Amino acid sequence: EVQLVESGGGLVKPGGSLRLSCVASGFAFNTYGMNWVRQAPGKGLEWVSSISNSGYVYYADSLRGRFSISRDNAKNSLYLQMNSLRAEDTALYYCARDSWYSQDYWGQGTLVSVSS
Amino acid sequence: QSALTQPPSASGSPGQSVTIPCTGTSSDVGGYNYVSWYQQHPGKAPKVIIYGVTKRPSGVPDRFSGSKSGNTASLTVSGLQAEDEADYYCSSYAGSGKVVFGGGTKLTVL
Repeated sequence: EVQLVESGGGLVKPGGSLRLSCVASGFAFNTYGMNWVRQAPGKGLEWVSSISNSGYVYYADSLRGRFSISRDNAKNSLYLQMNSLRAEDTALYYCARDSWYSQDYWGQGTLVSVSS
Repeated sequence: QSALTQPPSASGSPGQSVTIPCTGTSSDVGGYNYVSWYQQHPGKAPKVIIYGVTKRPSGVPDRFSGSKSGNTASLTVSGLQAEDEADYYCSSYAGSGKVVFGGGTKLTVL
C-alpha cells in the first residue's frame, strides 16, 4: 500500500524558516517524481514544486526562490525547505506522488502557519 | 502561470449529469494532454479521478469521464449520487516542468 506521511509543519514567525519532510512507503520511491502541493485555509489547491526521480527540480513562479525541494532516495524521503516565510504561505502542505504530471497518491498534509 | 478557470459551483439532482469546465490557454490545457481532475471531500486529501484528459484510475466509477476541446477541459459526472458532493479541481501540465491547478468547483447534489 502506498503511503506518504508528511511532518515538520508548525507555527513560525514571518521571515522564519521551516523544513517539511515526507516519508514514502509501499512503492519504489527512487523511480517516481514527487510534488509538494499546498492549500490555504478554505482555498483551492496550489502546486508548489516538484522533483523528478533523477533530481531535476521545478518551482511555481510565485515562490521567487524562497523554497527548495530535495529528496533522499536512500531514506525514501522528500523535503521542502521554506525560507523567508510570509503570512500568505500559511497552508496545509501535501506531499504527492507524480505520475505523468498527475498526482496519483497524496499524504494527509502538514499544516504551516505563519504569524507573529 | 495563471490558475485555470473553473466555475465556483455546480449542482444537479440525483441521477442527473453535470459537466464542470476548466479553461486554460494554449500554454497549458490546450498544449498538452496532461489534464487531471481531483475530488476532495471536506477534511480529506484530494483524490485523482481523471488523468491524461480521459483516463480513469482503477477503482474510479465510470460515471466520471473527462474530455478536452481546445483550451477547455471538462469533467462529466453522470448518474449523480449523494457521495459525489465534493470539491473538484482540474490541473494541467504547463510546460517547463510546472503544473497549474484550477480554482475548484463545489459540486452540490440537490
